[in-house]
Amino acid sequence: ETGVTQTPRHLVMGMTNKKSLKCEQHLGHNAMYWYKQSAKKPLELMFVYNFKEQTENNSVPSRFSPECPNSSHLFLHLHTLQPEDSALYLCASSQERAGGPTDTQYFGPGTRLTVL
Amino acid sequence: GQNIDQPTEMTATEGAIVQINCTYQTSGFNGLFWYQQHAGEAPTFLSYNVLDGLEEKGRFSSFLSRSKGYSYLLLKELQMKDSASYLCAVDDSNYQLIWGAGTKLIIKP
Repeated sequence: ETGVTQTPRHLVMGMTNKKSLKCEQHLGHNAMYWYKQSAKKPLELMFVYNFKEQTENNSVPSRFSPECPNSSHLFLHLHTLQPEDSALYLCASSQERAGGPTDTQYFGPGTRLTVL
Repeated sequence: GQNIDQPTEMTATEGAIVQINCTYQTSGFNGLFWYQQHAGEAPTFLSYNVLDGLEEKGRFSSFLSRSKGYSYLLLKELQMKDSASYLCAVDDSNYQLIWGAGTKLIIKP
C-alpha cells in the first residue's frame, strides 16, 4: 500500500563491510530524506535531497554516503560502520523542499540495521 | 535548545478515549504534525495543525494551542489496532521538523 519502498528490510553487517540501502518512491515527489530512528529517541534527520540535489547534511559521519540518481530513488551507502550505528533507517519523501513550511512526509517501512 | 515532550508510554482500554499530549519549546512555529507508527512499520501521517483549535478526522482529533506550546491527539472508541507509537513533530522557524521521541500506546481488551 505504501508509496515508499525500502530494501532490504533487515541487514546485519560487520564493521568492515560495505553495504547499501535502497529507497524508491512512487508518489511523484521531488524531495527525499534519510532518517535514523533509535529506540526511545526522536527521529534524527540525516540527509535531504530536493530535485536530486543534496540540500541538507546534518553533520552525519562520512561512513554514511547518500546518493540520489533521480527524484524517485535514494541510496545510503554504508562503510566501516560502528555498533552504535545499529538502528532503523527510514526513508521519506515529500512534494518538495521549497524553503517554506514542511510538506507532509511519507515514510517507507525502514531497514533494520545491525552492526556487529 | 529545542525540545518536544511526550509521555513515553500510555495504556488504555478498548472502546475508551485517550489523550496523548505534546508540549514543545522551539525556535518559531510553522505547524505541528502527528504520525502513527506500528511496530516494525512506517510512520504514517495522521494530522497537521497550524492554527489554534481542534481538527477532527473520524475517531482521531488533534488540538493546538500555540500560546501554550501544546498539542494533543485524542483517540476515541479505541480499537486494538490503535496500539502503536504516536509521534509529534514541530516545524520550526527554519522549516526543520523537530521530533518528539514518541508515545507508545498500549490498548488492553
